[in-house]
Amino acid sequence: QVQLVESGGALVKPGGSLRLSCEASGFTFSDFHMSWIRQAPGKGLEWVSHISPGGSTIYHADSVEGRFIISRDNAKNSLRLQMNSLRAEDTAVYYCARETGGYPRDFDSWGQGTLVTVSS
Amino acid sequence: QSVLTQPPSVSGAPGQRVTISCTGSSSNIGAGYDVHWYQQLPGTAPKLLIYGNSDRPSGVPDRFSGSKSGTSASLAITGLQAEDEADYYCQSYDTSLGAHYVFGTGTTVTVL
Repeated sequence: QVQLVESGGALVKPGGSLRLSCEASGFTFSDFHMSWIRQAPGKGLEWVSHISPGGSTIYHADSVEGRFIISRDNAKNSLRLQMNSLRAEDTAVYYCARETGGYPRDFDSWGQGTLVTVSS
Repeated sequence: QSVLTQPPSVSGAPGQRVTISCTGSSSNIGAGYDVHWYQQLPGTAPKLLIYGNSDRPSGVPDRFSGSKSGTSASLAITGLQAEDEADYYCQSYDTSLGAHYVFGTGTTVTVL
């Protein structure tokens, strides 16, 4: 079955950096678009970043543009999110999600999430 | 600030029918983009509930149904059950921002 497992969440100081990873299994990772989605404590869902199957097309939300970088390693079935210049408002649970379907694509599989806390 | 607006909460007694609205605009739902719905049980990751406006993934009970009209979409839950207590989010695509995926503000369903 499809499995997505995030890791890398931690407590980090404002201005710091962190790299999140998402290990995929149970499907052909290189065939699918992928996204990172976050949820601040007690708040709703916010889409963060998208990457195409081959990695050639990347989008980031305006709130993280220029600070976060999404990437993937299809040989290792791995999705990553490099987070730089972190701010308090980046505090959230970060989910990786598989995209599928129509226009727009939906997120049919999600990981369990990893918590990022930005605080001094 | 989400561009898709949902009521903060809805409630109903077991067995009743509740609906959740997702109101957008001409740059998202009204532009013809599909709407998807997710259910998030307390302390868990979201789960795809409805895709393509009205289709259910395998395993989702037919008590859940979705529809779309104009610049809005709706999720209906009939025969409400205690295990339906959760947060629900709509999702689509918007062209007015940096474009890309947008989620609704979220609705908490309470079973009385």
